[in-house]
Parts: sequence; structure tokens; C-alpha cells
Amino acid sequence: GAVVSQHPSWVICKSGTSVKIECRSLDFQATTMFWYRQFPKQSLMLMATSNEGSKATYEQGVEKDKFLINHASLTLSTLTVTSAHPEDSSFYICSARTSGIYPTYEQYFGPGTRLTVT
Amino acid sequence: AQSVTQPDIHITVSEGASLELRCNYSYGATPYLFWYVQSPGQGLQLLLKYFSGDTLVQGIKGFEAEFKRSQSSFNLRKPSVHWSDAAEYFCAVVHFSGSARQLTFGSGTQLTVLP
Repeated sequence: GAVVSQHPSWVICKSGTSVKIECRSLDFQATTMFWYRQFPKQSLMLMATSNEGSKATYEQGVEKDKFLINHASLTLSTLTVTSAHPEDSSFYICSARTSGIYPTYEQYFGPGTRLTVT
Repeated sequence: AQSVTQPDIHITVSEGASLELRCNYSYGATPYLFWYVQSPGQGLQLLLKYFSGDTLVQGIKGFEAEFKRSQSSFNLRKPSVHWSDAAEYFCAVVHFSGSARQLTFGSGTQLTVLP
């Protein structure tokens, strides 16, 4: 149980184009989803937190107009990198958390998406 | 502010040897602590977690961790390392930002296992 998928697993795009990454919770309802960015040999940096049906909350320094996050359903969140540039090349990881009467503090992570902008 | 420190950037051990990865946290209240493992090009897999209760926590793949409040530590251990354990290991703590709960990760420890 508690599987999170991401699609695509890797993508190469040209500078100036936009790329959409999907994050799905396969066997549970994710009321909260997180998007992280990871540079080579570095830790995960939280980009934004999204709650289903609400606008995402972005971390300081993350451009909300560049990294568009949509969490339209309890099983799907998307990250769109708009007008991508080579410096946006990175490993993007999503995670999901469910909620209930006694909310869990566990997050379940997707396998990541490698974005390369040429 | 809440933080997690992993003092060792890279550790090398021989297969069959014991392993201890260090993690220190800074958090005012009782922390909720996690250890994750990441294989190259992959997402994170939860090894174990501590919320409360017994301070020695057992996880998957033969890993365990001990919460020591007096030392603000949550070190990960394994008695006998296997070659497949080579990966990046992250310690993390849940903290509260307003009404939100977020994970803060340490910088990670890269484990190399020698044959």
C-alpha cells in the first residue's frame, strides 16, 4: 500500500518550453502533496505544499509563476515548469500524505522525475 | 528553527561490518523522526520512524535507530551491512509551519560498501 507514482520518470526539453510532471497516489487519497527539488549529491529542498482544492503554498525563493502546481483531485497533483531553462534541470520528487481523524506524519515518496533542459 | 544535521557526508564500510549513521536534530518539543534511503535515481524509501514510546526503533532491511533525547540524536544502525545497502541515507524531522506539517531533511550520508 501507499504507493506514489510519477510520470514521466525522465524528460528532456528545449529551453523556453514547458514541462508537466504528474504525481499520483495509487491506493490512497492524498489530501496533501509536496514537491521537492534535489540537485546532484544534495538533499531534498521543499518547493511547495499543496492541499487538494486549494492553492499551493510555496517556499521562500520558489517562483510560483514558474513552477505551477495543481492539486485538483485527491489522487493527482501536477507540477508544470514553465519556460524552462537549463538551470531548472534537476530531479523533482513528489510525496503525498493522507489525513484523517488522527493524521499520520508519514509521507510517501514518488520515484522522482529527472528533468534536463537543453 | 528546526534542523537536522548529518555530520558524515560519506561513509565507507566493508560488507559484513557494522554500520552507524549519525543524525542530530534541533527541535523544541518531542520530535517525529525518520530515516529514509535513496538509491541512485530513485525516490525515497522509509526505513523507520520514531513518534513516541520505545526509544529503540526497528525498521526494514535489518536497520534500527535509537532516539536519545539527552544527546538530541537519532542514529541509524545495522549489525552487518550488505552490498545492496549502498545508497544515500537521509534523516528527517517533522516540524510545524503554521498549521502545516513539513519534513526537514538532513544533508544526507552517502554509504559505500566494499566487497
